Amino acid sequence: SQTIHQWPATLVQPVGSPLSLECTVEGTSNPNLYWYRQAAGRGLQLLFYSVGIGQISSEVPQNLSASRPQDRQFILSSKKLLLSDSGFYLCAWSVSTSTGYFYGYTFGSGTRLTVV
Amino acid sequence: QKEVEQDPGPLSVPEGAIVSLNCTYSNSAFQYFMWYRQYSRKGPELLMYTYSSGNKEDGRFTAQVDKSSKYISLFIRDSQPSDSATYLCAMRISNFGNEKLTFGTGTRLTIIP
Repeated sequence: SQTIHQWPATLVQPVGSPLSLECTVEGTSNPNLYWYRQAAGRGLQLLFYSVGIGQISSEVPQNLSASRPQDRQFILSSKKLLLSDSGFYLCAWSVSTSTGYFYGYTFGSGTRLTVV
Repeated sequence: QKEVEQDPGPLSVPEGAIVSLNCTYSNSAFQYFMWYRQYSRKGPELLMYTYSSGNKEDGRFTAQVDKSSKYISLFIRDSQPSDSATYLCAMRISNFGNEKLTFGTGTRLTIIP
């Protein structure tokens, strides 16, 4: 069965410090991978998505970046965190069949980031 | 205008009541419709998924899609305290290679014992 791992669960970081959040998927190959941010009282904001190794699409301009060094690994990074980067970060994966059938997203358990 | 509109609530109902959660959308290209349930401090989990107009049942849950009105609903029968969560609708354009979902902002639901 497919599983998605995301860590850490909670993180408190000072302003200006670097960030690295990791997400790995097991039990599937060539998944589409996503990073979302969910701010308090707001919806899910798509930050990055990837359809393959080294292929990253950015949805919003920000001081965050993403990388996909392996097929089932997706990393969210920042060189210098801002207060506004605080939020709940979620990794997700999806797979479509060769006929285009789509089975929805599966989300990880999330990382709650507080920048102080 | 947002592509997907969802009443944020909060919505409180007594245990055993029927709950109705709704989303409207403006993009007629949306073809896949989903409902996610998110417990506090957890990631969303897929609850219901459909790609056609009409009703789809799964236990106490019924998803309804009306493409002509651009309106989707989730009904919960015999609501339980364990149903207390935030419910998010999500939609996708049916283009092979377009894998992005557009989410509503979520409705916070509380079932009162």
